[in-house]
Amino acid sequence: EIVLTQSPGTLSLSPGERATLSCRASQSVSSSYLAWYQQKPGQAPRLLIYGASSRATGIPDRFSGSGSGTDFTLTISRLEPEDFAVYYCQQYGSSPLFGGGTKVEIK
Amino acid sequence: QVQLVESGGGLVKPGGSLRLSCAASGFTFSDYYMSWIRQAPGKGLEWVSYISSSSSYTNYADSVKGRFTISRDNAKNSLYLQMNSLRAEDTAVYYCARVTAVAGTWAFDYWGQGTLVTVSS
Repeated sequence: EIVLTQSPGTLSLSPGERATLSCRASQSVSSSYLAWYQQKPGQAPRLLIYGASSRATGIPDRFSGSGSGTDFTLTISRLEPEDFAVYYCQQYGSSPLFGGGTKVEIK
Repeated sequence: QVQLVESGGGLVKPGGSLRLSCAASGFTFSDYYMSWIRQAPGKGLEWVSYISSSSSYTNYADSVKGRFTISRDNAKNSLYLQMNSLRAEDTAVYYCARVTAVAGTWAFDYWGQGTLVTVSS
């Protein structure tokens, strides 16, 4: 059974800084089935990236995804105040599976 | 615009049952796979179940298999989750989500606002 491990658990950064979030799978997964979501307190998750690197509709280009095999990365090039949130990766193998999340907080 | 509105959550005793509903609008419901995803208080996301567009295929997380049943009514643009033999660990916000129709990929592209299920005596 695949396990998705996100790191770090918490990322403390200032607005304008670059955020790099990691999602590591316990075995190789298809990049076609790797997605990233953003969740703010009290809100439903929002799809950011699908297919490891394709931005969902309406997602700003400061969000980018990359990776393959077992290592995937979500990068936020310059943090805006509204980007402080929890981020989840998700893969689909035999069933959908979410990582444990990374909280991006204001330093 | 795509809208997903869940209902049916509430307080139920351990061993009890509850049926969640999700009303969909703004898209051709019968063209899409649909899913339920839950989030326990203060915890991460856990996929629960999904159903194919024509109801021909369903899939469940091991944690709910044999207790929960997903179904849909395409004529009513509605998704359902029948939850039986509920346990304290089923306490969570339950989200209805649409599976993207982008070929060759899998992601949940639209989510409802969620409905809270609390299992407690």
